[in-house]
Amino acid sequence: GAVVSQHPSRVICKSGTSVKIECRSLDFQATTMFWYRQFPKQSLMLMATSNEGSKATYEQGVEKDKFLINHASLTLSTLTVTSAHPEDSSFYICSARGGTSGRASEQFFGPGTRLTVL
Amino acid sequence: GQQLNQSPQSMFIQEGEDVSMNCTSSSIFNTWLWYKQDPGEGPVLLIALYKAGELTSNGRLTAQFGITRKDSFLNISASIPSDVGIYFCAGQRAGGGSNYKLTFGKGTLLTVNP
Repeated sequence: GAVVSQHPSRVICKSGTSVKIECRSLDFQATTMFWYRQFPKQSLMLMATSNEGSKATYEQGVEKDKFLINHASLTLSTLTVTSAHPEDSSFYICSARGGTSGRASEQFFGPGTRLTVL
Repeated sequence: GQQLNQSPQSMFIQEGEDVSMNCTSSSIFNTWLWYKQDPGEGPVLLIALYKAGELTSNGRLTAQFGITRKDSFLNISASIPSDVGIYFCAGQRAGGGSNYKLTFGKGTLLTVNP
């Protein structure tokens, strides 16, 4: 399958600082990327959907001013956690949708980024 | 957000045994998917189902898309130690745009004793 990378894989930051996480589709163009958050022993919860060149669509309850998403190119989306607090510590996973059929199997997940806020 | 009802939450089995897990929803999905997630990794797609009633196999894995489009099951036959992990079901509704998004079940943690 297609490859999606995330950087960094792990990040530890102090409370109040901002952290940027990158999601890249390495061998395909992704018109849509999704950002998920996963707390320990829980499922993946969709945070937002981002389409290249347009504003992200956030899920209910997700603060768009806190979780800034930029999808500036067909291969890169970034999630910035602004003024991070310990409760933002989580596993952040992106996925990228390629192809034109719209089939769900064309959505590929990145390896995740473990964020720890001290 | 909405989640699918996935059961069981966890399973402890002996190597060689068969495993079955399922997901149900109160609403219809047009696509059902099953993923496996290893610790500290992103989910990896195992099987995708696109048609009500569809039965699909991938090696020792078999999954079915329920006739009502509100449920799906995954079977793993002759389990091996590397089957250990968390299995998630996910559903997708029809249409484009934000409808490409997936709704995930809560996961089934599988432990296989050698």
